Amino acid sequence: GNSVTQMEGPVTLSEEAFLTINCTYTATGYPSLFWYVQYPGEGLQLLLKATKADDKGSNKGFEATYRKETTSFHLEKGSVQVSDSAVYFCALIQPVKTSYDKVIFGPGTSLSVIP
Amino acid sequence: DAGVIQSPRHEVTEMGQEVTLRCKPISGHNSLFWYRQTMMRGLELLIYFNNNVPIDDSGMPEDRFSAKMPNASFSTLKIQPSEPRDSAVYFCASSRTGYGYTFGSGTRLTVV
Repeated sequence: GNSVTQMEGPVTLSEEAFLTINCTYTATGYPSLFWYVQYPGEGLQLLLKATKADDKGSNKGFEATYRKETTSFHLEKGSVQVSDSAVYFCALIQPVKTSYDKVIFGPGTSLSVIP
Repeated sequence: DAGVIQSPRHEVTEMGQEVTLRCKPISGHNSLFWYRQTMMRGLELLIYFNNNVPIDDSGMPEDRFSAKMPNASFSTLKIQPSEPRDSAVYFCASSRTGYGYTFGSGTRLTVV
């Protein structure tokens, strides 16, 4: 079946460090891939997405590239800030011929950025 | 656009009481999802609706949980009777096909 695997957290980084959160997936066909972010006390928010192979999603300095050959969608940011402290969820939508999407979420990776 | 609106934000209730959580999806979205989030089990999909019709409720933990969507602008998740192990944050999300989900801010439920 479809699944999403993320690197285990928590991840702790110093401000301005480089961030990578690994994400790999299992799916048939060409799923759409997403990163969601959950700040403390809030719901999940869409951070970025990519809908086909080699697409790069980007937002707020975060980037992720859809790599079909490695079934990966790793999240990166060149210089993290304290305000980036949150839980990050990798997710996919398996394309099916229905009128609704069911998102498959990874377990989430907690990031703490210290000054 | 006000986003997905959930109420109440916080609910504290005694074991055995009925609890009703409410959700107003974004206008024009055709799917609605109820999730539960705990430290132990992470994010769990409980049930989802498409065009107000329940599609899959296999994630509902037991018969004490029920959900309804009487129209396109309102859904409820009811727990009766509530138990301490139901304590969690409950999220509602809505979507339009192909656009990913928009989540509400959640209801933090504490059953004592």
